[in-house]
Amino acid sequence: KQEVTQIPAALSVPEGENLVLNCSFTDSAIYNLQWFRQDPGKGLTSLLLIQSSQREQTSGRLNASLDKSSGRSTLYIAASQPGDSATYLCAVTGSGAGSYQLTFGKGTKLSVIP
Amino acid sequence: ETGVTQTPRHLVMGMTNKKSLKCEQHLGHNAMYWYKQSAKKPLELMFVYNFKEQTENNSVPSRFSPECPNSSHLFLHLHTLQPEDSALYLCASSPNPASLYNEQFFGPGTRLTVL
Repeated sequence: KQEVTQIPAALSVPEGENLVLNCSFTDSAIYNLQWFRQDPGKGLTSLLLIQSSQREQTSGRLNASLDKSSGRSTLYIAASQPGDSATYLCAVTGSGAGSYQLTFGKGTKLSVIP
Repeated sequence: ETGVTQTPRHLVMGMTNKKSLKCEQHLGHNAMYWYKQSAKKPLELMFVYNFKEQTENNSVPSRFSPECPNSSHLFLHLHTLQPEDSALYLCASSPNPASLYNEQFFGPGTRLTVL
């Protein structure tokens, strides 16, 4: 059974810092990995999706990398802003039966201090 | 309306009530999903519908009953719930589960409180 772990559970940084969020998964047989953002009490906003054949994806100040063989992904946020404060969730889609199923981590709660 | 919408946004119900959650997607997607998000737990997949057919039921109790009348609408019918069912219920849609690029898009969720 796939398990997804996100470290740290919470992170507080001053505005302007670059930061890295980590995600690891136990079964490397994945179709893709998706990073989401969730604001308190709200739904999820998709940030980036990396297919299993890709190494990284970039969107604005965000860069996500994927090392499928080691079961790891990182989300790099450049020049952090208070508006980046949210919970960031990592999720993977398996490659076997039920491959459309997303398995989520518990998330990293990010606070960017002005 | 664009994206994935959910109604109601907040719902308080007693254990003997019957209510329904509604989800609608305006993205032309073929698959729709129900997830449950409880405090301090990862999101849990409940049901998957692909082309209106239920393809996954992750051992969800029968007091939760999904309905998918067409590819754009998804309902979750609730009856005789328990207080531990209180959670944020999220709906999502995606283009094609068979595709490697099956990005899921989520609605804002319904915050459910069972008294």
